[in-house]
Amino acid sequence: EAQVTQNPRYLITVTGKKLTVTCSQNMNHEYMSWYRQDPGLGLRQIYYSMNVEVTDKGDVPEGYKVSRKEKRNFPLILESPSPNQTSLYFCASSPLAGVGNEQFFGPGTRLTVL
Amino acid sequence: AQSVTQLGSHVSVSEGALVLLRCNYSSSVPPYLFWYVQYPNQGLQLLLKYTSAATLVKGINGFEAEFKKSETSFHLTKPSAHMSDAAEYFCAVSPRRSGNTGKLIFGQGTTLQVKP
Repeated sequence: EAQVTQNPRYLITVTGKKLTVTCSQNMNHEYMSWYRQDPGLGLRQIYYSMNVEVTDKGDVPEGYKVSRKEKRNFPLILESPSPNQTSLYFCASSPLAGVGNEQFFGPGTRLTVL
Repeated sequence: AQSVTQLGSHVSVSEGALVLLRCNYSSSVPPYLFWYVQYPNQGLQLLLKYTSAATLVKGINGFEAEFKKSETSFHLTKPSAHMSDAAEYFCAVSPRRSGNTGKLIFGQGTTLQVKP
């Protein structure tokens, strides 16, 4: 089944404890992206990747890191989480960027930082 | 900068009634336009999209949307609401220009409640 998977689905952590949220897609998509969803704000892009080894900042990149060593994986790293990073996170992938292609979303990771 | 506005954070309809969810965008060049649905505890699922073909776009689950350039709108409709339509709906745009990063710009979302 074609899908985007994320792990973990739920995570409660404490301020400053490094964490990684994994994202993997099995559709051979070139483009991958991370969004965060907050009430009343919709989804906002954190980072994106046009292809392997090519990543760039989205609208809200502060406090986050990403890497794209393989086409299928795009982990999101929070080196020192803070409470304002409590949010619902979505990974998405698309065949190519910028040509009206649909983005396929993972099931989401709900992160709470205490 | 491009933006998307969804009028009404909550919409309530009776089962069988018309569903109308409003979306307006700000852009001098019509962007690619999308409607996504999010069911509780799930990711986003594409309902429909407008690229540049017909202005009336049909999607899944009986939904459709009409692109109106003069009004910069892309409202989502369904003639008869079903209980299973209760969800959050997001309008999103992707700029149509060279150097496009592929980013989707989302509206704030509209929660649809369907009453029996």
